[in-house]
Amino acid sequence: DAKTTQPPSMDCAEGRAANLPCNHSTISGNEYVYWYRQIHSQGPQYIIHGLKNNETNEMASLIITEDRKSSTLILPHATLRDTAVYYCIVRVGGGTSYGKLTFGQGTILTVHP
Amino acid sequence: DVKVTQSSRYLVKRTGEKVFLECVQDMDHENMFWYRQDPGLGLRLIYFSYDVKMKEKGDIPEGYSVSREKKERFSLILESASTNQTSMYLCASSPPATFEAFFGQGTRLTVV
Repeated sequence: DAKTTQPPSMDCAEGRAANLPCNHSTISGNEYVYWYRQIHSQGPQYIIHGLKNNETNEMASLIITEDRKSSTLILPHATLRDTAVYYCIVRVGGGTSYGKLTFGQGTILTVHP
Repeated sequence: DVKVTQSSRYLVKRTGEKVFLECVQDMDHENMFWYRQDPGLGLRLIYFSYDVKMKEKGDIPEGYSVSREKKERFSLILESASTNQTSMYLCASSPPATFEAFFGQGTRLTVV
């Protein structure tokens, strides 16, 4: 699976958009980009995933560059409850590999009032 | 609402004790997982199961075993607890052919 690189920490003002980058320059054509977050003292929470098209759901938007070497998770109107560690994960599926997630250090997003 | 429930939020056990951590999911998922999370090391996969009575070792299975007798329940067993197994333990489940996993709240185990 491709290695990912994320900034260790970011700040965002409440109500503003939070844009969290992830670099995955060695990604291969059949690898998906997944985003999770972990709020303090809770288990990780799935946010969104994509292959090559941009994706949006009720939580966030995922923008993947055309060459697929990087992506950005966008929280359009950050709230204090979005303060968490955000993980970008790249995975290729197949057989019993599904569901096995490898979490790196992620980005600590702090949303300020 | 989707739920993965772990039996305890906090546990304190003595060295050498046999410890059972229980996890139940109500989503009829085939796949279930046990991870541990330690500061600076992130989440590491201990064991997973992709069907009843099936199990596969993860990255750090030593000192652990698992049991899956029913689809909704996945148990992690510490045969003889040691202090280096003090950690946060997280259970997760997922449907097949996806990396969209649902996690429990975690069990913080302290072995003294």
